[in-house]
Amino acid sequence: GQNIDQPTEMTATEGAIVQINCTYQTSGFNGLFWYQQHAGEAPTFLSYNVLDGLEEKGRFSSFLSRSKGYSYLLLKELQMKDSASYLCAVRPPSGGYQKVTFGTGTKLQVIP
Amino acid sequence: DGGITQSPKYLFRKEGQNVTLSCEQNLNHDAMYWYRQDPGQGLRLIYYSQIVNDFQKGDIAEGYSVSREKKESFPLTVTSAQKNPTAFYLCASSMEGSGRDTQYFGPGTRLTVL
Repeated sequence: GQNIDQPTEMTATEGAIVQINCTYQTSGFNGLFWYQQHAGEAPTFLSYNVLDGLEEKGRFSSFLSRSKGYSYLLLKELQMKDSASYLCAVRPPSGGYQKVTFGTGTKLQVIP
Repeated sequence: DGGITQSPKYLFRKEGQNVTLSCEQNLNHDAMYWYRQDPGQGLRLIYYSQIVNDFQKGDIAEGYSVSREKKESFPLTVTSAQKNPTAFYLCASSMEGSGRDTQYFGPGTRLTVL
């Protein structure tokens, strides 16, 4: 099975940097997604990591360590609009149909 | 513009009534999914469809039914057998039927049972 852990809530200041962690224990792994979800809205795709290391995409970066079962999402130059929940999701290995498993999400509040 | 639409955005129903949530996509994606989201919980998979005229139960299919008669459409019916139907329902699609691709979500339908 899949077990994904994320902190429930975080608070950070506008203009600062915040790191949102995600750890997973899975029976198989073939990549990790990060999604952003504003309250009452649909999740939107942010990033996908399948190899170890850091992937940078503008103000957002995502890191993966497969040996440690660990990923983080790094948000730089925080803006008020970054207040949202951030979901990590594990992609299953190849072979047949296996579902993507979502974590419960980390609710980030950006304060002035 | 390509995307996924869900309607209605808010839905109210009385106990004992069935209700159908609409999901349409014009992304030409093979796979479509229905999730339920409750406060403090992750997205839970209700049903998924890898291809037209085929669908499979997810983790919490009891009390729900679906159809996939067209590639673009994947409606979800919440039946009176669903014990706790009040939730936020999200439809998603992905390009391939394997279920491992990036999923793109519709805006969601918030269902409230009165």
